[in-house]
Amino acid sequence: EVQLLESGGGLVHPGGSLRLSCAASGFTFSNYAMSWVRQAPGKGLEWVSVISNDGATIYYAESVKGRFTISRDSSNNMFSLQMNSLGAEDTAIYYCARGGQSLSGFDYWGQGTLVTVSS
Amino acid sequence: DIQMTQSPSSLSASVGDRITITCRASQGFRNDLGWYQQKPGKAPKRLIYAASSLQSGVPSRFSGSGSGTEFTLTISSLQPEDFATYYCLQYNSYPLTFGGGTKVEIK
Repeated sequence: EVQLLESGGGLVHPGGSLRLSCAASGFTFSNYAMSWVRQAPGKGLEWVSVISNDGATIYYAESVKGRFTISRDSSNNMFSLQMNSLGAEDTAIYYCARGGQSLSGFDYWGQGTLVTVSS
Repeated sequence: DIQMTQSPSSLSASVGDRITITCRASQGFRNDLGWYQQKPGKAPKRLIYAASSLQSGVPSRFSGSGSGTEFTLTISSLQPEDFATYYCLQYNSYPLTFGGGTKVEIK
């Protein structure tokens, strides 16, 4: 059974940093691109970033480019999102999801982790 | 970037109704579009990919169609468990973009 489990969310002050992680199981992790998608409270879905199966190709949404860094550790079946210079606009539930363009979108999602940026 | 305009933003319907949700793309593409259902407090769930392919395990009352700049999701006979918010997603090019969502409520 495919499972994705996010961790690392919480309350952070404006300008601060946070690192989200997603632990994957139930599939051959190294075969799949992985993405982060976020959802601000009461708002719609926003794709944030994707990393290819081999880590060689990465894309970011313009809203996070230069502040967020995606990475993966295929030996541990995990991938992460390092978030720096956080602002109130980054407050959201962050979902990890399997896929991206190469998988016709996202076929499996984690349960989400809440990031709140507030003083 | 490809912008996805979804309509309506909300609709009220009754059990058994047929409903259609539309997404219009700012640039045309063949069929790189999916539809997702999200219930409150839950992660989204994929219903449709490649514009018209039904995700395994999804009831056949859900169907998708379209290509180019106009895509539709149809629920042929609305069931109580279908009251949720629906999103389209284009994955033709990065950045991937979602439509704004359609909240389907009980009339």
